[in-house]
Amino acid sequence: EPEVTQTPSHQVTQMGQEVILRCVPISNHLYFYWYRQILGQKVEFLVSFYNNEISEKSEIFDDQFSVERPDGSNFTLKIRSTKLEDSAMYFCASSSSGIGNIQYFGAGTRLSVL
Amino acid sequence: DQQVKQNSPSLSVQEGRISILNCDYTNSMFDYFLWYKKYPAEGPTFLISISSIKDKNEDGRFTVFLNKSAKHLSLHIVPSQPGDSAVYFCAASSGGSNYKLTFGKGTLLTVNP
Repeated sequence: EPEVTQTPSHQVTQMGQEVILRCVPISNHLYFYWYRQILGQKVEFLVSFYNNEISEKSEIFDDQFSVERPDGSNFTLKIRSTKLEDSAMYFCASSSSGIGNIQYFGAGTRLSVL
Repeated sequence: DQQVKQNSPSLSVQEGRISILNCDYTNSMFDYFLWYKKYPAEGPTFLISISSIKDKNEDGRFTVFLNKSAKHLSLHIVPSQPGDSAVYFCAASSGGSNYKLTFGKGTLLTVNP
């Protein structure tokens, strides 16, 4: 069964460093998303991406964040200068269409900022 | 911002009995609702969904009910099995919001053998 793959499963970084979280969405999907879950809190939307551009972003997704689809398979989330409060689980999701939007999630990357 | 609320952080039921998980929403623009199940160290797994034009959707042991006037939905699991023990998230989206999902905080379901 097709699945969304995320790497690495755990990323430890120093405050102020750049990190790139990687995702391989399901191959025929067109819509891509990043969410995050801070420990003990709800899953929060960060950004959606369609047709090679951001379609919506939350207020969390400030200038320190960027997304890219560098080739036909990968979808990345970059945090330029990490802060302690960026520590969270980051989930990538993809869907085949917007309407009737069933998003399929990866297992997540745990980001720990020290 | 609590547009989607799951007021019960946990629920414990006996194997074979019915599990009922509840979810309330405040945004009347939501037109699609989903339930996800999540095990520790895994991502949310899609379970069942319902469009706002329906009031019930059934898939095997899982049934979702939608009451639009009350802005309330519920997930029924019958019969409950120990393998159903997980965190269940209610999520909602609207076509006007580029289909982003707004999640509730989740309910931890424990099914006791």
